[in-house]
Amino acid sequence: DTAVSQTPKYLVTQMGNDKSIKCEQNLGHDTMYWYKQDSKKFLKIMFSYNNKELIINETVPNRFSPKSPDKAHLNLHINSLELGDSAVYFCASSQGWSYTFGSGTRLTVV
Amino acid sequence: GDSVTQMEGPVTLSEEAFLTINCTYTATGYPSLFWYVQYPGEGLQLLLKATKADDKGSNKGFEATYRKETTSFHLEKGSVQVSDSAVYFCALSGLTGGGNKLTFGTGTQLKVEL
Repeated sequence: DTAVSQTPKYLVTQMGNDKSIKCEQNLGHDTMYWYKQDSKKFLKIMFSYNNKELIINETVPNRFSPKSPDKAHLNLHINSLELGDSAVYFCASSQGWSYTFGSGTRLTVV
Repeated sequence: GDSVTQMEGPVTLSEEAFLTINCTYTATGYPSLFWYVQYPGEGLQLLLKATKADDKGSNKGFEATYRKETTSFHLEKGSVQVSDSAVYFCALSGLTGGGNKLTFGTGTQLKVEL
């Protein structure tokens, strides 16, 4: 059973398009996150939701909009994609200090 | 704010060599400390953790000790294998209103050769 699954695994799209990445966890965790890993492998938190409520919103352009329909799902919608949005996006969930990451979505904007 | 500094890579070692990857942190309060590993093309896996001062985390021959006095959490392994080749991330967690925000170091790429 996949604990944290995100789709798609790869996403190639043109500048200016709008795209979504979906994430689901079956661990019963209360908190879910989106992290961005850039081309130099640096990982930085973008958003965090606790029981569908936004609790962390780092300095992220408002073209990025997370949505959590229930505590098992956290989707990421990106409007007007730019070249600089190319990265690997990781979904994660946690309960206490126990964190589980998804396998990542590699977004390439051309 | 919280920050993690780890040694820059890449680190290239011969099989069976001793590994040390340095990690120091800055944080308010008493964070938990972690090492994560990322194999090529994969997501992050928890390697080991320590939740309080002087705790030693260990897994798969890797060890790290939470040193509050030096704000460090250095990763060590006595004898590395080719299969240990990966990127290693030091991280700390700080509680933020109901969730644990992980702050990562920049990652250290390890390459182990025969």
